[in-house]
Amino acid sequence: DTGVSQDPRHKITKRGQNVTFRCDPISEHNRLYWYRQTLGQGPEFLTYFQNEAQLEKSRLLSDRFSAERPKGSFSTLEIQRTEQGDSAMYLCASSPRTARTHNEQFFGPGTRLTVL
Amino acid sequence: AQSVSQHNHHVILSEAASLELGCNYSYGGTVNLFWYVQYPGQHLQLLLKYFSGDPLVKGIKGFEAEFIKSKFSFNLRKPSVQWSDTAEYFCAVNARYGGSQGNLIFGKGTKLSVKP
Repeated sequence: DTGVSQDPRHKITKRGQNVTFRCDPISEHNRLYWYRQTLGQGPEFLTYFQNEAQLEKSRLLSDRFSAERPKGSFSTLEIQRTEQGDSAMYLCASSPRTARTHNEQFFGPGTRLTVL
Repeated sequence: AQSVSQHNHHVILSEAASLELGCNYSYGGTVNLFWYVQYPGQHLQLLLKYFSGDPLVKGIKGFEAEFIKSKFSFNLRKPSVQWSDTAEYFCAVNARYGGSQGNLIFGKGTKLSVKP
């Protein structure tokens, strides 16, 4: 399967713990995005990378959240001191760089986080 | 603020019925428009997209959408639905130019249930 992959698929943690998620984009895609989706809502943008540079961050990305893409390939999203309100599906997407503006984004299966 | 509104939360149709899902967006500039679909247990996947040109765009599985600029709308249509179209449908928009191009803004989604 050459699609976007995410690991783990499910994570249950206790409030106050730190968690880290990984995303592997489609290999030739240089743009990578993180979204969060809660029940009954569409995905909400968190942040975006072009290669290793983090170019845009949402106000949803509090200082407890940090994302990295150190070599311009896979990315990690870390949440420190988790809160129950962090429970959500965390989606990763990637897109190729084209001469046009941002092309369609290809989504992974998501990591479902439950904070107890 | 930029937003996407999907008019129906849940639509129930019988097979062979026609489908129209409404989508309106609020954005002050030029946009790209997308419809994504999420089948039960699967990833979000692109159904169709509009960047420019003919405002009537055709996507996969017989779906089409019409961009009406004056109404800020991008409604999704299918003349005859099948049971396999049961899924959740998301309308999304991003800026074609400027610093927020990476930020896909999604509607809350419409669940479509097709009765066999």
